[in-house]
Amino acid sequence: SQTIHQWPATLVQPVGSPLSLECTVEGTSNPNLYWYRQAAGRGLQLLFYSVGIGQISSEVPQNLSASRPQDRQFILSSKKLLLSDSGFYLCAWSVNGLYGYTFGSGTRLTVV
Amino acid sequence: AQSVTQLGSHVSVSEGALVLLRCNYSSSVPPYLFWYVQYPNQGLQLLLKYTSAATLVKGINGFEAEFKKSETSFHLTKPSAHMSDAAEYFCAVSESDYKLSFGAGTTVTVRA
Repeated sequence: SQTIHQWPATLVQPVGSPLSLECTVEGTSNPNLYWYRQAAGRGLQLLFYSVGIGQISSEVPQNLSASRPQDRQFILSSKKLLLSDSGFYLCAWSVNGLYGYTFGSGTRLTVV
Repeated sequence: AQSVTQLGSHVSVSEGALVLLRCNYSSSVPPYLFWYVQYPNQGLQLLLKYTSAATLVKGINGFEAEFKKSETSFHLTKPSAHMSDAAEYFCAVSESDYKLSFGAGTTVTVRA
C-alpha cells in the first residue's frame, strides 16, 4: 500500500534561518507531488507541484523553493525564513488528480 | 477554470443533529468532486468522492454527499452529529488530471 511521510511534525526557527522540509512517498511510482500551506484564515494555498523528477511548478511568488531530487522525494526549502512563512505545511501525492490526493500529516512551522 | 464555493465558514450543530455542509462548484467539464476532513494539526483525510458514477456517494464516518448537476452542488450531510465530527471540512473539484481546486473550508463545532 502507498504511504506518505512528512517530517518534522513541528519546527520553530528564527527569522533568517534556512528551512528544509522533506516528504517521501512509498508504494507508488512517478506520483504527482504537492506542497500546500495553511495560514490562519487563509485556507489551503498550493505552493508547488511536480509531475516528474526535476519538474517543479510554482503557484505563487514567495520566499520558498521546492526540489524533487528523486521520483518519490519532494523537498521544500528556504534560504532565509520570514515571519510570514509561519504556517502549517502539507505535502500530498496523487497518481491522477481525478482520483484525489493523499496528504501527509503536516509540519507546523513557527518562525520567531 | 474549475472552482468550488463553500457556503459558511463555521457551522455549529448540537450532538445528534443533522450536519449539512454546502458546496457549489463551477466546471466546464463533468467534474470529479471530493470532500476532505481535517482534524487539528493533522493532514487532510478523504471522506468521499464523486467520479460520475452514482449521484449519492457514501463515505467514511457516516457521511454522504449528493451530486446535483442542475444545482451545481455537492453538499455533505450526516444524519446525527457526534462530538468526534468537530473538524474542518474541505470541498474540492478536479481542475485537471493533476490538480484539485479546494474551497475555503468549513469549521464544524458540535455542542453537547
